[in-house]
Amino acid sequence: QVQLQESGPGLVKLSETLSLTCTVSGYSISSGFYWDWIRQPPGKGLEWIGSVYHTGDTDYKPSLKSRVTISVDTSKNQFSLRLDSVTAADTAVYYCARRRSNFDYWGQGTLVTVSS
Amino acid sequence: EIVLTQSPGTLSLSPGERATLSCRASQSVRSNYLAWYQQKVGQAPRVLIYGASSRDTGIPDRFSGSGSGTDFTLTISRLEPEDFAVYYCQQYGSSPLTFGQGTKVEIK
Repeated sequence: QVQLQESGPGLVKLSETLSLTCTVSGYSISSGFYWDWIRQPPGKGLEWIGSVYHTGDTDYKPSLKSRVTISVDTSKNQFSLRLDSVTAADTAVYYCARRRSNFDYWGQGTLVTVSS
Repeated sequence: EIVLTQSPGTLSLSPGERATLSCRASQSVRSNYLAWYQQKVGQAPRVLIYGASSRDTGIPDRFSGSGSGTDFTLTISRLEPEDFAVYYCQQYGSSPLTFGQGTKVEIK
């Protein structure tokens, strides 16, 4: 059974860097598929942030590309999100997900609040 | 970027009624790579439909998807109490991947 679990600070200061890790169990990242980050501001809709393939190839939403880095560590079966220079608009629940074609497995989500 | 517009924003229906949700794309979705997700409060979304019309494993047959190109529909034939939730369409045919803004199905 595939499971994903986000971890990282729930509070990040304005202009600093948000860092989250997604730990995957029940499936080896190195076996394939895309590994994605998606976020959802409180009370709002879903926004795709970007993805990493098991090879390390990445794809990002253009409007976030200058601030986002997604990386993979196959030895730990984890992938990570780094978002630089955060603002209040980056406050959201952050989900990690596996993407076969559609998103088929999701983490439970973690709320990250940006505050001054 | 493909913009997905869902309508209506809110659908107020009673259990047992039929729900019809629309998702319109700003340009054709490659190979009809469109999925529908259900999200309940405090939970992650779960996929219902992929490839515009294929039900995911374990999804009841009261859920059906149709459409192609730029116009897609999710139909719930008879609403059960557990179906009241927010529904999102999402296209995965081209990057960046995009979601619709959601349709809330609420109890009338």
